[in-house]
Amino acid sequence: AQTVTQSQPEMSVQEAETVTLSCTYDTSESDYYLFWYKQPPSRQMILVIRQEAYKQQNATENRFSVNFQKAAKSFSLKISDSQLGDAAMYFCAYRGGMGGADGLTFGKGTHLIIQP
Amino acid sequence: DAGVIQSPRHEVTEMGQEVTLRCKPISGHDYLFWYRQTMMRGLELLIYFNNNVPIDDSGMPEDRFSAKMPNASFSTLKIQPSEPRDSAVYFCASSLMSYEQFFGPGTRLTVL
Repeated sequence: AQTVTQSQPEMSVQEAETVTLSCTYDTSESDYYLFWYKQPPSRQMILVIRQEAYKQQNATENRFSVNFQKAAKSFSLKISDSQLGDAAMYFCAYRGGMGGADGLTFGKGTHLIIQP
Repeated sequence: DAGVIQSPRHEVTEMGQEVTLRCKPISGHDYLFWYRQTMMRGLELLIYFNNNVPIDDSGMPEDRFSAKMPNASFSTLKIQPSEPRDSAVYFCASSLMSYEQFFGPGTRLTVL
């Protein structure tokens, strides 16, 4: 079974600074997808960024980018120019199976605090 | 698009009662997922459907839990009888093929 590990229960960063959230995973599959989801206090799950394992290029979405190291099974999220609205729980998630169609396996999450 | 719709948003019930959670996926999506979130166990997959057919229910904790998807626009998750340890936030999500999953707002269940 796949596992996802987020080793940082909580991170704190000053507004406008850059922060990196760590995620490692374990799998025997070669084709899969990785995601970062954000969960603010409203508890709504919001997709931040997605990475296909077959793509070598790291995904980027505005201020959010990933460092995907397939051999190391590492998938970190970098948030640049942190804003107060970025404060939330961040979950790393894995989706594998035939055609990447399985349900998501989540890490335990990282609580991100933005200091004004 | 209205997104994934879940009802009720909050449910408080007493131990032993039957609880039914409802979900309407995004129109056109062919996958539907049920997740549970607790402080102790985090987010965990309970069951998922593809084209209304259950594919993997290995995450369903006990026989007290059951899920159905009678058509492409509706799914239920039922707990009978409910127990205090079932208290959690239950999320429904849908996706088109293997693309990203879109989550509903969740149902916060409290079993007294």
